[in-house]
Amino acid sequence: DAGVTQSPTHLIKTRGQQVTLRCSPISGHKSVSWYQQVLGQGPQFIFQYYEKEERGRGNFPDRFSARQFPNYSSELNVNALLLGDSALYLCASSGEDIPGETQYFGPGTRLLVL
Amino acid sequence: AQTVTQSQPEMSVQEAETVTLSCTYDTSESDYYLFWYKQPPSRQMILVIRQEAYKQQNATENRFSVNFQKAAKSFSLKISDSQLGDAAMYFCAYRSAMEYGNKLVFGAGTILRVKS
Repeated sequence: DAGVTQSPTHLIKTRGQQVTLRCSPISGHKSVSWYQQVLGQGPQFIFQYYEKEERGRGNFPDRFSARQFPNYSSELNVNALLLGDSALYLCASSGEDIPGETQYFGPGTRLLVL
Repeated sequence: AQTVTQSQPEMSVQEAETVTLSCTYDTSESDYYLFWYKQPPSRQMILVIRQEAYKQQNATENRFSVNFQKAAKSFSLKISDSQLGDAAMYFCAYRSAMEYGNKLVFGAGTILRVKS
């Protein structure tokens, strides 16, 4: 079975632009979470979606938004990009929204904002 | 809010030797889960081992084992018989069993270098 996939792999944008990142979870997984990993730091939680509903939101500004589709894939949108948004964006999926459920991570999208 | 601290930015180990990575966390909760994730240079994060806080027995997965000290809020990872493929960034992560949402709280990570 395919693991978590993310697209694009790399992206270069300029300040003020908008970006959309995509994630396809492991087949059968209903929960998708997004994390931002700035170089040299651990991932920071942005959002979690389960069954198309937002289940959790981290400490990120309203410029960050996400949604989940009926097939459980997800998009992360970031508006009015800032230089500080440059990071690796990771998507993780799990089968259900259960605390002990293991999250499986995708390879990430590397975003560079110039 | 929960926090996770990894006090060793970088560690080195000789091939076939044993190394221990440290992790401490701060929480007021009694029920939670702890994880060690490995992130090789190719970036994909891989689960190494997990521990349920309500279990006293330390988790073990082949060459990987943990030393879970709940009272001390410590969760160290021991890698035995280190291999070149173990070289990676290792993250310790915390997951509440009581909060809504599937949020992992990560430490800053420890780079593990394996010398041949």
